[in-house]
Amino acid sequence: QEKVQQSPESLIVPEGAMVSLNCSFSDSASQSIWWYQQHPGKGPKALISIFSNGNKKEGRLTVYLNRASLHVSLHIKDSQPSDSAVYLCAVPSFSKLVFGQGTSLSVVP
Amino acid sequence: GPKVLQIPSHQIIDMGQMVTLNCDPVSNHLYFYWYKQILGQQMEFLVNFYNGKVMEKSKLFKDQFSVERPDGSYFTLKIQPTALEDSAVYFCASSLGRRSERLFFGHGTKLSVL
Repeated sequence: QEKVQQSPESLIVPEGAMVSLNCSFSDSASQSIWWYQQHPGKGPKALISIFSNGNKKEGRLTVYLNRASLHVSLHIKDSQPSDSAVYLCAVPSFSKLVFGQGTSLSVVP
Repeated sequence: GPKVLQIPSHQIIDMGQMVTLNCDPVSNHLYFYWYKQILGQQMEFLVNFYNGKVMEKSKLFKDQFSVERPDGSYFTLKIQPTALEDSAVYFCASSLGRRSERLFFGHGTKLSVL
């Protein structure tokens, strides 16, 4: 059974800061790994995925994947108060996605 | 963007009663999922469904749980009978393809079992 661990559990940063979120997983299946964003009272929303080792940039988001070390990270540049949410790492396992416990991000104006 | 609708948003029932949670997935999607989230805890996989059949289910998907999607209408999760530990938010999701395809989630149904 795939295990997904995220760190830190929570993070408070000032507006404009760079945010780094980490995720470790137990099995490096050759499928895309996802990051989701979840606001209170809402369902998770997919932000970005990565398939190949290395990095991928989309707007203010950059994701890094290292399958050998079973690690993926998400970096948010120039963070905004609207980025305040829980960020979930999701790893494929058989026919489903397994989610980490999430990192709660608060961006303070 | 594509939306998954869940009805109702909140359901309160007495322990032992039956409950049906309804999900209207994205129209052209083929794979359907239910996840369970207890407040402040991890999003946990319950079951997924494709072509009229359950593909995979977790240990959380007890014998009292069932899913169906009759004639392409709502994708439903039925719990009969309910137990106190079934209180949680249940999220429905759908995807065009399987596994590493993007999942689209609804806003969840909060189930309170008294």
